Amino acid sequence: DAGVIQSPRHEVTEMGQEVTLRCKPISGHNSLFWYRQTMMRGLELLIYFNNNVPIDDSGMPEDRFSAKMPNASFSTLKIQPSEPRDSAVYFCASRGRSGNTEAFFGQGTRLTVV
Amino acid sequence: GESVGLHLPTLSVQEGDNSIINCAYSNSASDYFIWYKQESGKGPQFIIDIRSNMDKRQGQRVTVLLNKTVKHLSLQIAATQPGDSAVYFCAENQYSGGGADGLTFGKGTHLIIQP
Repeated sequence: DAGVIQSPRHEVTEMGQEVTLRCKPISGHNSLFWYRQTMMRGLELLIYFNNNVPIDDSGMPEDRFSAKMPNASFSTLKIQPSEPRDSAVYFCASRGRSGNTEAFFGQGTRLTVV
Repeated sequence: GESVGLHLPTLSVQEGDNSIINCAYSNSASDYFIWYKQESGKGPQFIIDIRSNMDKRQGQRVTVLLNKTVKHLSLQIAATQPGDSAVYFCAENQYSGGGADGLTFGKGTHLIIQP
């Protein structure tokens, strides 16, 4: 398996633009997580899905952020409009079906909003 | 102005020595714990996990100890190598039975291996 695949690896955009980050979880995993990592706040859980259904989005910073999971093999995290303080590395992770197991992380998308 | 970032604890050890990285967790209901390693420019990578019904688990060159009384977790790395240089995170989870929940991560410890 190729692992969790995220795209793009790097994104530079201007303030006010829409940004879409993409994630393909490991095949067969039924849980997907979006994390944000910054120097100030470390690794923060933004939202997670079980069986494509959003379960907890309390970590989403504000209405400018939205996430979707239209099917078991794809998820997006969208920021509209983007702001410089959104600059961070965004990680997607997936987890299998057997209860307490480790989450596997993608390589991340480094977002820079200028 | 200059931004102030997280002051990550740093542990510096000599190559070949053993390393011990500590972590305090907050949720007494957490029943599953993981140690992750993150190298520069990469995502966190699983090292070892432990469930709350255990107090010790060993892997290859790594051992995790869990003390539920004081909510403390440690990772021991034997005979550290240059490739062990990374930031190490502990993560905790409370299994709700309804499916996987999000892992809560600690702030991380930067392990530096001196030649």
